[in-house]
Amino acid sequence: GAVVSQHPSWVICKSGTSVKIECRSLDFQATTMFWYRQFPKQSLMLMATSNEGSKATYEQGVEKDKFLINHASLTLSTLTVTSAHPEDSSFYICSASGQAVAGSYNEQFFGPGTRLTVL
Amino acid sequence: SQQGEEDPQALSIQEGENATMNCSYKTSINNLQWYRQNSGRGLVHLILIRSNEREKHSGRLRVTLDTSKKSSSLLITASRAADTASYFCATDRAAGNKLTFGGGTRVLVKP
Repeated sequence: GAVVSQHPSWVICKSGTSVKIECRSLDFQATTMFWYRQFPKQSLMLMATSNEGSKATYEQGVEKDKFLINHASLTLSTLTVTSAHPEDSSFYICSASGQAVAGSYNEQFFGPGTRLTVL
Repeated sequence: SQQGEEDPQALSIQEGENATMNCSYKTSINNLQWYRQNSGRGLVHLILIRSNEREKHSGRLRVTLDTSKKSSSLLITASRAADTASYFCATDRAAGNKLTFGGGTRVLVKP
C-alpha cells in the first residue's frame, strides 16, 4: 500500500511557541490530505481537509488562524500549531489520498501520527 | 461531530476467544471501514465494506453491514495477544471522501 510519513513523530514545546508538523506521501501524489486530532482514549476528529494548491477547509470549531495548513505540493502538507498551549497537546494524524476516480472509492492512507506535548 | 458510535467501549477476553464489536451510524454512507490502532501509533486499515455488501471476510476478520439498521459489526475469531488494540469504524459519507470515525472499542486479549 501507499506510504505516508509524518515528522516529527513527537515534539515537546513551551507554551506560546509554534510547532510545524509535516505530512508526506512517499510513493504517490496526494491530491487531498486530511488532518486529524486525537486526544487520549478518544477517537479521531477531523480538523481540516486540504487540496493541493488551494486553501484548506476547516471543520466547525477548528480555528484556522491557530492551525495553519499548507499543501504546497502533491507530496507535502504541513500543519503549524501557532502559539501552542497545553490544551493543544494531542496526537495529530494526517492522511492522504490520490486523484479520485469516478465510481471508485478513494482510499485514505494514514501517517503514523505526531505526539505534541505543550508544557 | 462523530457519526459512528461503537460498543462496547472496552472489551477484555482470553486468547483464543472471539471478539465482537459493533458500530452504528446516522446518515447514508458509501462505505464503512474498520481500522486498528495500537497504543500511540497510527491507523492500520483492516477492511472496507461497501454499502451494497452485507458481509465480508479477511483472514480472522468478519465484518457485517446492515444499512437498514445503520450498523456494522466486526468479529475477530480466535483472538491473539497481538490483537490487543483499539478498533475504530469509519464511514465515508455519500457526498464525499471525508471519514467520520466512531468512538472506538479498546480490546485487551489476555494470554
